[in-house]
Amino acid sequence: EDQVTQSPEALRLQEGESSSLNCSYTVSGLRGLFWYRQDPGKGPEFLFTLYSAGEEKEKERLKATLTKKESFLHITAPKPEDSATYLCAVHFSGSARQLTFGSGTQLTVLP
Amino acid sequence: DGGITQSPKYLFRKEGQNVTLSCEQNLNHDAMYWYRQDPGQGLRLIYYSQIVNDFQKGDIAEGYSVSREKKESFPLTVTSAQKNPTAFYLCASRSLPQENYGYTFGSGTRLTVV
Repeated sequence: EDQVTQSPEALRLQEGESSSLNCSYTVSGLRGLFWYRQDPGKGPEFLFTLYSAGEEKEKERLKATLTKKESFLHITAPKPEDSATYLCAVHFSGSARQLTFGSGTQLTVLP
Repeated sequence: DGGITQSPKYLFRKEGQNVTLSCEQNLNHDAMYWYRQDPGQGLRLIYYSQIVNDFQKGDIAEGYSVSREKKESFPLTVTSAQKNPTAFYLCASRSLPQENYGYTFGSGTRLTVV
């Protein structure tokens, strides 16, 4: 069964303390991996799409990377406004264009 | 500006009552989706539709129904058969020829049983 697992479930950082979030997947064929940011009480906001191992994407303090079995979302020198839940989603080749979501990592950045 | 509008933002349902959640998009997207989000869990797919007048069940369709009479609209009805409907409901859409952008989400409807 195709699965998406995110870790850790929650992460507390001091402002400026860099870290990484993990998204691992077991798939029969990866067609794309997506990262979203979700603020409390709101819908997820698209961040990145990755398609192949070795690919990297950057946006401000965020950098997403992809290997054959997992993706990392690196947060460099985070600020309190980066606090949110970060969701990973995967498009599997046999999924009729649906996305399978992980349960998310709740990030809190303390001032 | 283009986007997805969900309404209402908050909804209260009495036991045995059916309620309908609205989802409208002006992005000209082909596919639309309904997800349910519970605390500590990932998004779970309820129903999806890739073309007008056609839709498919997702992983947790029992107790829910949908329609897709117009490309722009994909309402979700939570029926009395859904025994635990309290959750955050998210509607999403996607342009099938532009899969690299993933989904665009609405702002959600929080449904509470009273």
